[in-house]
Amino acid sequence: AQTVTQSQPEMSVQEAETVTLSCTYDTSENNYYLFWYKQPPSRQMILVIRQEAYKQQNATENRFSVNFQKAAKSFSLKISDSQLGDTAMYFCAFMKPRTQGNLIFGKGTKLSVKP
Amino acid sequence: DSGVTQTPKHLITATGQRVTLRCSPRSGDLSVYWYQQSLDQGLQFLIHYYNGEERAKGNILERFSAQQFPDLHSELNLSSLELGDSALYFCASSVGTGLGEKLFFGSGTQLSVL
Repeated sequence: AQTVTQSQPEMSVQEAETVTLSCTYDTSENNYYLFWYKQPPSRQMILVIRQEAYKQQNATENRFSVNFQKAAKSFSLKISDSQLGDTAMYFCAFMKPRTQGNLIFGKGTKLSVKP
Repeated sequence: DSGVTQTPKHLITATGQRVTLRCSPRSGDLSVYWYQQSLDQGLQFLIHYYNGEERAKGNILERFSAQQFPDLHSELNLSSLELGDSALYFCASSVGTGLGEKLFFGSGTQLSVL
C-alpha cells in the first residue's frame, strides 16, 4: 500500500525567508502523480503544485517549487519569499495512475510565517 | 475561490440521525469526489463519481452513500450517525476522469454529531 510521510509536524519561518517542507512516499509504481495542497485557517484545500513522476523537471508555480527525487521517493516543497498569507497546513499527496482521483494524503505540516 | 460549492457549511445533529451534504462542481467539471477529514484519520478518499456514474470507492462506510445527478451536482448521505462521524467533509471536482488530474476542493461541510 502507498504511504505518504511528512516528518515535520510544525515549522516556522520569518517573513521573506525561504522554507522547505519535506515529504517522502512509498510506492512500487513507476508512473504516478504528486501534489502539495495548502489548508489555511479558512479550511479550504488549495492546490499549490502538481508533479508528474515521469517528468524529470521539477514543477514550479511562482514562489513555490518542488525538489522531486524519484529514486529517493522524496518530494519536498520550497516556498521562497515567505508571506504571512502562506501560514497554513501543507499536505503532500500521492495519486496512482490507475486510480481516479484517489489522493493519499500525508498528515500535514503546520507552517507559521512570522512577521 | 475554487468554484466548487458545498452546502451547508456547518451541520449539527444528533446520533442516529441522517443528513445530506450537497456539492456543486466547477462549471465544466464532470467528476466529483468526496473526502473526509478527521483528527484521527486525517484526509481520506470516500467516493468518486464521473458524469453520473460511480467510478471508485475508498474508505466509505456502508451507512454512507452518494450520488451524482444529471446536472452533475452530488449529494453525500450519511445515516445512523455516530459520534465518530464528526468530521470535515470535502467535495472536490475535476474536468475528466481524475487520472492524474488536479482536484479542486470546496470549502467543506463541518459535521458535528452530538
